[in-house]
Amino acid sequence: DSGVTQTPKHLITATGQRVTLRCSPRSGDLSVYWYQQSLDQGLQFLIQYYNGEERAKGNILERFSAQQFPDLHSELNLSSLELGDSALYFCASSEGKGNALNTEAFFGQGTRLTVV
Amino acid sequence: LAKTTQPISMDSYEGQEVNITCSHNNIATNDYITWYQQFPSQGPRFIIQGYKTKVTNEVASLFIPADRKSSTLSLPRVSLSDTAVYYCLVGVRGSGNTPLVFGKGTRLSVIA
Repeated sequence: DSGVTQTPKHLITATGQRVTLRCSPRSGDLSVYWYQQSLDQGLQFLIQYYNGEERAKGNILERFSAQQFPDLHSELNLSSLELGDSALYFCASSEGKGNALNTEAFFGQGTRLTVV
Repeated sequence: LAKTTQPISMDSYEGQEVNITCSHNNIATNDYITWYQQFPSQGPRFIIQGYKTKVTNEVASLFIPADRKSSTLSLPRVSLSDTAVYYCLVGVRGSGNTPLVFGKGTRLSVIA
């Protein structure tokens, strides 16, 4: 158990819909990272937050957005969903504000999103 | 971040030592080398991190030659449960906006 909690574990929704994925970081970790992993792709970095503020942005679509709340949990919002958005979405947390390579990054078990 | 190159896949028998090499020719002076392990449908898990020479923990060893242009993750006496994808990452420790960026990794299959 990494200490990072993601909900829900599975999500099935229709094209055009909007969903929210939730992540609770490890206690004390201030940074949260979101990743997307499709079958034919590796882990794609989406976005990072540190203590409530956006820290870095990766290959995140405009239809996707995220935020980190004062209690440090984070949500990833995916809208106007397409079939190609079906993937595993991982959240990770680390204590540092910068590159997670300065300490370990801990990953959650992921949310499997299926768009039909 | 320095670009890394790893073999796409490797096979090994149980009980053997497995060495996975990662090339990072343009590694910078301040860069650290980190390895993660990912089992199917699970999030990656930190294995080991090093800067130079050799680092060993309860899971693996990391060998880094003097020029640091490559590194080798060594898994002693692998078992079936070591079947996973292994990622090599290179980046600056403690820096600012440089998030954890994963490549394709090496898919290790351990055979009985």
